[in-house]
Amino acid sequence: QSALTQPPSVSGSPGQSVTISCTGTSSDVGGYDRVSWYQQPPDTAPKLIIYEVTNRPSGVPDRFSGSKSGNTASLTISGLQADDEADYYCSSYTSSIGWVFGEGTKLTVL
Amino acid sequence: QVQLVQSGAEMKRPGASVRISCKASGYPFISHAIHWVRQAPGQRLEWMGWINVGNGNTRYSQKLQDRVTITRDTSASMGYMDLRSLRSEDTAVYYCARVIGFGGLDYWGQGTLVTVSS
Repeated sequence: QSALTQPPSVSGSPGQSVTISCTGTSSDVGGYDRVSWYQQPPDTAPKLIIYEVTNRPSGVPDRFSGSKSGNTASLTISGLQADDEADYYCSSYTSSIGWVFGEGTKLTVL
Repeated sequence: QVQLVQSGAEMKRPGASVRISCKASGYPFISHAIHWVRQAPGQRLEWMGWINVGNGNTRYSQKLQDRVTITRDTSASMGYMDLRSLRSEDTAVYYCARVIGFGGLDYWGQGTLVTVSS
């Protein structure tokens, strides 16, 4: 099972918005509303920021939002802050094997 | 508060096996499935498998299904991940994580580093 496709890196200035894409197939991202997003600063465990495409766990600011269109899910971070700098991973349920993660995207806040 | 506490770092020889434990607290253990995820140094997250804690049903990644076994002990609120026939490419940090809803992993263990080297 290949990883979901994410851009290797994105960047933005404080206060701006950035969007990270996550592209799969109709067997995973496109077929189920079971996409999650994780934030992982260096040397720490991932933190859930979006689940079931659009839901935010308690405590996650509404600057983080998720969406999906066809086989591509997206994470948008608005009002960028310095401590948003981290690696971001998407994941999705897949009918073939269970679950799959994306390749990961490094967010740099300029 | 919800916590998942994993066992400590391991160093293993190629061909050996490793068992990592995951102690859950702060919530009804059987009410949430547990997933296992690993991350090799500098690499992406890799899903390994999951267990329905209530009935013990499991599902594994195709890549690892011949070498991994995930179990649980509901009386002790413990999850376990066994990986056999270790290779150098199994060197990674291994995480257990609790599921909410359909696949969101909302609480993670602190990670366990497994180093496989001769």
